[in-house]
Amino acid sequence: DTAVSQTPKYLVTQMGNDKSIKCEQNLGHDTMYWYKQDSKKFLKIMFSYNNKELIINETVPNRFSPKSPDKAHLNLHINSLELGDSAVYFCASSQAEGARGYTFGSGTRLTVV
Amino acid sequence: SQKIEQNSEALNIQEGKTATLTCNYTNYSPAYLQWYRQDPGRGPVFLLLIRENEKEKRKERLKVTFDTTLKQSLFHITASQPADSATYLCAPYNQGGKLIFGQGTELSVKP
Repeated sequence: DTAVSQTPKYLVTQMGNDKSIKCEQNLGHDTMYWYKQDSKKFLKIMFSYNNKELIINETVPNRFSPKSPDKAHLNLHINSLELGDSAVYFCASSQAEGARGYTFGSGTRLTVV
Repeated sequence: SQKIEQNSEALNIQEGKTATLTCNYTNYSPAYLQWYRQDPGRGPVFLLLIRENEKEKRKERLKVTFDTTLKQSLFHITASQPADSATYLCAPYNQGGKLIFGQGTELSVKP
């Protein structure tokens, strides 16, 4: 059983489209995150949710909207995709503030053409 | 602004030697610091956590040190193996609830 699963694994889409990435964790963790890893491999936090409540919202364009229907799911919807959105997006989860580490999904490689 | 720096150059070592990776941070007072391993095409995997009041932490062949005066953490892999080849990321955690990652150091262990 995959602990943190993301779908899809690959996403190729045209500029201007709207797309969603789904994430689910079966670890019973109460906090979930979205990170973006760019071509230079920097891993940057985008959002964090704790028990369905948004607790971290970094400087991310409002075209990105996270949604957490329950504490096991955190989806990411992106409107009006731009070339610069191309990256690998990772979902992660942790218990509380993550003192036992974060568990990451395998990533979604988004390519905007 | 808060900054994390890891060895930017890839580290190439011979099998059996000790690999030492450096993580320096500025404008931070992390409550703890984590180390992760990332293989190509995969998400980071948690390895070790060290708290601000701990000087050293060990797990099997891994050892992490944390010097809050120097604002530095060192990550050691003893008796390195080719299977240890990967990118290693350090991640200080601040009181704002954020785990911020360095850009990683790519380690290559040659047989």
